[in-house]
Amino acid sequence: EVQLVESGGGLVQPGGSLRLSCAASGFTFSSYWMHWVRQAPGKGLVWVSRINSDGSSTSYADSVKGRFTISRDNAKNTLYLQMNSLRAEDTAVYYCARLPSGSSLDYWGQGTLVTVSS
Amino acid sequence: DIQMTQSPSSLSASVGDRVTITCRASQGIRNDLGWYQQKPGKAPKRLIYAASSLQSGVPSRFSGSGSGTEFTLTISSLQPEDFATYYCLQHNSYTFGQGTKLEIK
Repeated sequence: EVQLVESGGGLVQPGGSLRLSCAASGFTFSSYWMHWVRQAPGKGLVWVSRINSDGSSTSYADSVKGRFTISRDNAKNTLYLQMNSLRAEDTAVYYCARLPSGSSLDYWGQGTLVTVSS
Repeated sequence: DIQMTQSPSSLSASVGDRVTITCRASQGIRNDLGWYQQKPGKAPKRLIYAASSLQSGVPSRFSGSGSGTEFTLTISSLQPEDFATYYCLQHNSYTFGQGTKLEIK
């Protein structure tokens, strides 16, 4: 069974940092591109970032470019999102999701809440 | 960047109704589109991929159509468990529609 489990969310002050993790199981993690998507309270889904299967290529939404870094450790079956210089508008539930080749995001984690507030 | 315009933003309907939700892309995206259902406090669930392919395990009352710039999600006969928010996602460059909240009339 495919499982994605996010962790690392919490309350952080503006300007602070946080690292999210997404532990994958039930599939060959190293074969899939992975994504982060976020959802502010009461709002819609917003794509944040993606990484290819071996970690050599990444892409970011303009709103997080230069502040967030996506990475992965295929030996540990884990995806990461390092978030620096956090702002109030980064407050959201962050989901990791799997991307099958040539298709749309299929499996999603349950999400982890990040709250940026003083 | 490719923009996705989803309509309507909200919809009231009754059990048994047929409903249609539309997503329009600002430029052609072939069939690189998925549809998702999200219930409060839960992760999105994929219903349709490649614009018209039904995800395994999803009831056949859900269907998708379209290619290029215009796409539709149709629910043929609404069931109580279908009341949720629906999103389209173009995976050419990853943009979600704004969402459609489907409520009970």
